[in-house]
Amino acid sequence: DVKVTQSSRYLVKRTGEKVFLECVQDMDHENMFWYRQDPGLGLRLIYFSYDVKMKEKGDIPEGYSVSREKKERFSLILESASTNQTSMYLCASSPRDRAYEQYFGPGTRLTVT
Amino acid sequence: GDSVTQMEGPVTLSEEAFLTINCTYTATGYPSLFWYVQYPGEGLQLLLKATKADDKGSNKGFEATYRKETTSFHLEKGSVQVSDSAVYFCALTPYGNNRLAFGKGNQVVVIP
Repeated sequence: DVKVTQSSRYLVKRTGEKVFLECVQDMDHENMFWYRQDPGLGLRLIYFSYDVKMKEKGDIPEGYSVSREKKERFSLILESASTNQTSMYLCASSPRDRAYEQYFGPGTRLTVT
Repeated sequence: GDSVTQMEGPVTLSEEAFLTINCTYTATGYPSLFWYVQYPGEGLQLLLKATKADDKGSNKGFEATYRKETTSFHLEKGSVQVSDSAVYFCALTPYGNNRLAFGKGNQVVVIP
């Protein structure tokens, strides 16, 4: 069964902490994505990557960075967490030629206090 | 930029009722259109797609037709089950683009 896994389902961090969210996919996909999901706002793209060591900004990259050192792993980094980054974070992957066919992980609900 | 708009508010209906969720889009070119579904506690999964005008996507009893004249891609199911309770997202990829733009989603609750 193909899978996208995220390191934590629930995470609580303090304001100012550095936060790492990890995502791993086992489908050998080239594309990987990080979204945040908020009530009334739907899904918003933070960053995506179409290859190892490549990254592109999405719609709301401010306050976030990413790392992709290996094809199967895509990390989202909050350099200094703030309360307005409390959200559900979803990772996804897709084949290079079918970017619309995204496979999602179950999400990480991050609370910043 | 290219975007999709979904009808406001959750949808509550009884088992075996007919479901319609409206989705309209704004695009400068010829986007591909999608419906994704998110079941409770899970990530999103692709439900169906249509890549050109008049295409009908279908899966699990759900259907949606790409209507260029009305810029719409409404999702329908003739007889819903409790297991269809989920959040449904309309999405598009702009022509020549490798990203998805999602609508805000609609919570569907089916009561027995």
